[in-house]
Amino acid sequence: NAGVTQTPKFRILKIGQSMTLQCTQDMNHNYMYWYRQDPGMGLKLIYYSVGAGITDKGEVPNGYNVSRSTTEDFPLRLELAAPSQTSVYFCASNTPGTGGAYGYTFGSGTRLTVV
Amino acid sequence: GENVEQHPSTLSVQEGDSAVIKCTYSDSASNYFPWYKQELGKGPQLIIDIRSNVGEKKDQRIAVTLNKTAKHFSLHITETQPEDSAVYFCAAREYGGSQGNLIFGKGTKLSVKP
Repeated sequence: NAGVTQTPKFRILKIGQSMTLQCTQDMNHNYMYWYRQDPGMGLKLIYYSVGAGITDKGEVPNGYNVSRSTTEDFPLRLELAAPSQTSVYFCASNTPGTGGAYGYTFGSGTRLTVV
Repeated sequence: GENVEQHPSTLSVQEGDSAVIKCTYSDSASNYFPWYKQELGKGPQLIIDIRSNVGEKKDQRIAVTLNKTAKHFSLHITETQPEDSAVYFCAAREYGGSQGNLIFGKGTKLSVKP
């Protein structure tokens, strides 16, 4: 059981380039999330999805886009990379209420540097 | 919306001592409070959680306490070991809204010195 898998683990982008951060989960979770983690700032929610075809903005969505065509996959798209998007990105998933569990399962992260 | 404050930001203890990390939340309707441990280069991992209808929960060397009146909750680690060294995050589940997302504190870097 792989859990939540993120690729790539590391990436360096030039300003203005675009890329897609991949996230897939094999736990049949309905809900999926994208967070960014900046030093000393905790985890900030970028986008989330409550099921295939349904996405919504979190606290810091500007500069990002998402899609959810399947239960398993939730890619995060950066269209015009900016230095402010240098961060570590985490994908997470859960199915709230299942067995009383609201906790998230996180992937291992993607470290992105924009230069 | 919910706001979570976490203290201290760094904590250094000697092996065998206890460590306490405290969090406060703003929304009295929040009903679920998990704690995550993040080791270097890894994603956060759930270590313990508590619901609003419970005052304390223990799991071996770790425990969480919740004071709903004061809107604060704490993580207690007893008999600390070097492998407890990590960043710990508290969180509170937003009540209502679209679907109750977790709001995280800014983290506490715990160092356990042998």
